[in-house]
Amino acid sequence: GESVGLHLPTLSVQEGDNSIINCAYSNSASDYFIWYKQESGKGPQFIIDIRSNMDKRQGQRVTVLLNKTVKHLSLQIAATQPGDSAVYFCAEGGTGFQKLVFGTGTRLLVSP
Amino acid sequence: NAGVTQTPKFRILKIGQSMTLQCTQDMNHNYMYWYRQDPGMGLKLIYYSVGAGITDKGEVPNGYNVSRSTTEDFPLRLELAAPSQTSVYFCASSFRGDSYNEQFFGPGTRLTVL
Repeated sequence: GESVGLHLPTLSVQEGDNSIINCAYSNSASDYFIWYKQESGKGPQFIIDIRSNMDKRQGQRVTVLLNKTVKHLSLQIAATQPGDSAVYFCAEGGTGFQKLVFGTGTRLLVSP
Repeated sequence: NAGVTQTPKFRILKIGQSMTLQCTQDMNHNYMYWYRQDPGMGLKLIYYSVGAGITDKGEVPNGYNVSRSTTEDFPLRLELAAPSQTSVYFCASSFRGDSYNEQFFGPGTRLTVL
């Protein structure tokens, strides 16, 4: 069936480093991909999204890369800060209605 | 705007009890969703609604019911609570469905069934 998964369950980085969180997806028909950040005890918060007709999209300190050939999605966070510590989820959306399939999440730990 | 609000924040139920998780949004969003999140897992869609009076099943609907009598409210009903329903429940909403629009999530309800 359709699935979205992550390669690394936990990523530990030093403050100021760049972080890269990876995600693999299996449904080649997915039209868009989204990264969410979830802090402890809170609901997921939208970070950035990318449509399937794009390879790269940049936001404030974040960049999402999409490689449709190998069905791979990544989130790059520049100059990682302690406030970036959270669980990051990728999600993919099918064509038509906005049902999202979420991956299991990667925990990012930023140490000072 | 308060965004998406959920009540209660925490609840403990005994097996077989029933309860309603409340969700309200003040952004005039058409679409609303209920997800559950088990420990260390991603979110799974329980039910969704594309507008008042219209609801449909998601990936894991068994044991739950929903209604959408107004644009603002989307309550989730558990009729006979079971330990397998111990989870964190998130409600979300978004504006339209013909192209992707960001889903806004509530703070969640942590439910324990003993």
